[in-house]
Amino acid sequence: GAVVSQHPSRVICKSGTSVKIECRSLDFQATTMFWYRQFPKQSLMLMATSNEGSKATYEQGVEKDKFLINHASLTLSTLTVTSAHPEDSSFYICSARRPPGSYNEQFFGPGTRLTVL
Amino acid sequence: KQEVTQIPAALSVPEGENLVLNCSFTDSAIYNLQWFRQDPGKGLTSLLLIQSSQREQTSGRLNASLDKSSGRSTLYIAASQPGDSATYLCAVMGNSGYALNFGKGTSLLVTP
Repeated sequence: GAVVSQHPSRVICKSGTSVKIECRSLDFQATTMFWYRQFPKQSLMLMATSNEGSKATYEQGVEKDKFLINHASLTLSTLTVTSAHPEDSSFYICSARRPPGSYNEQFFGPGTRLTVL
Repeated sequence: KQEVTQIPAALSVPEGENLVLNCSFTDSAIYNLQWFRQDPGKGLTSLLLIQSSQREQTSGRLNASLDKSSGRSTLYIAASQPGDSATYLCAVMGNSGYALNFGKGTSLLVTP
């Protein structure tokens, strides 16, 4: 169990367009999901924490109006990169946390490679 | 702010060698520590999770140890194989049981 999927796996878009990335927990309910960004040869950096039914919590330096997060159900969180620019090109990875009592272990999706031309 | 450091940044070994990857963290008030594997262009695969009250965890050829007081963890890989080639990431969860702080990883290459 504990499978997390992401869609799409890869997206190429023109500068100025918006891109939506979905993160789904397939076999468990996740009240909390996390969005990370990874630049080449760098580590994963937390962007925001997504809580079902409430507003996301963004890390310092992450523009909430640019990276819109919606956690509409216990199995789905979406990240929308609005008016994407080349500097937003990165690898975006989500994770989902199992409910309390499971060591707070996070399970990661396969990632989405975003390339903005 | 928690800082996680991994040494070495890259490692190349011949097949069959035993090897140790190191992870250090600045704030010892942690909830747990996880080791992940990441293949190029792929997501993360969880290898081992050590709770703050534990000293080590083992899975197959992998053994991870945790010394919370000194802020260190090691990942030991026995009898390395070419299929072990990947980037290994260490991540620490603070006592809030919240987000993970990642190191930059160790890029491992095991040559036949």
